[in-house]
Amino acid sequence: DGGITQSPKYLFRKEGQNVTLSCEQNLNHDAMYWYRQDPGQGLRLIYYSQIVNDFQKGDIAEGYSVSREKKESFPLTVTSAQKNPTAFYLCASSVRARETQYFGPGTRLLVL
Amino acid sequence: KNQVEQSPQSLIILEGKNCTLQCNYTVSPFSNLRWYKQDTGRGPVSLTIMTFSENTKSNGRYTATLDADTKQSSLHITASQLSDSASYICVVSSGGGADGLTFGKGTHLIIQP
Repeated sequence: DGGITQSPKYLFRKEGQNVTLSCEQNLNHDAMYWYRQDPGQGLRLIYYSQIVNDFQKGDIAEGYSVSREKKESFPLTVTSAQKNPTAFYLCASSVRARETQYFGPGTRLLVL
Repeated sequence: KNQVEQSPQSLIILEGKNCTLQCNYTVSPFSNLRWYKQDTGRGPVSLTIMTFSENTKSNGRYTATLDADTKQSSLHITASQLSDSASYICVVSSGGGADGLTFGKGTHLIIQP
């Protein structure tokens, strides 16, 4: 079963806590992306990676961190520095940067 | 500043009817335009991708048009079905910026039986 997966589907964060969202793909894509989606807003880019061991900040990177140690995996950590983390987080991948993106099912993050 | 404006924000139509969603963009340079369908609580799925030289592209009951001169695109849905209820997102690629993409806010479409 090929594709891009995200886990968990729902995640709850307590004040001052770091949480990590998982994103895995078995499409052999080089590029991977993290987006944040808020109600009534377009998708906003948090981080992206064009190749293993390399990643770049997007438009709203503050309070977030990523790693790209394996081609298949691009986890996103929401740190305590992100003051308004409640949102729907989408991971995507593409064969190469700026080509058609394939999105995962998303993770909804809620703050307790 | 690159921008993508979609209209209407939301739309309700009866099952079986046709509808057209609009996308106006001010993105430069232009590389391509994509329409995505996003079901509630799910990730977006690509419907069509159009380059500068393409005027029309179809995917089943979905037909996208592009007028590169006026920087407008439309997505026409024919004989709507309940499963068409979703948000439709227009995305324009400029080939620049972090990911080279500018996302519209989407049109929320509801199909009523």
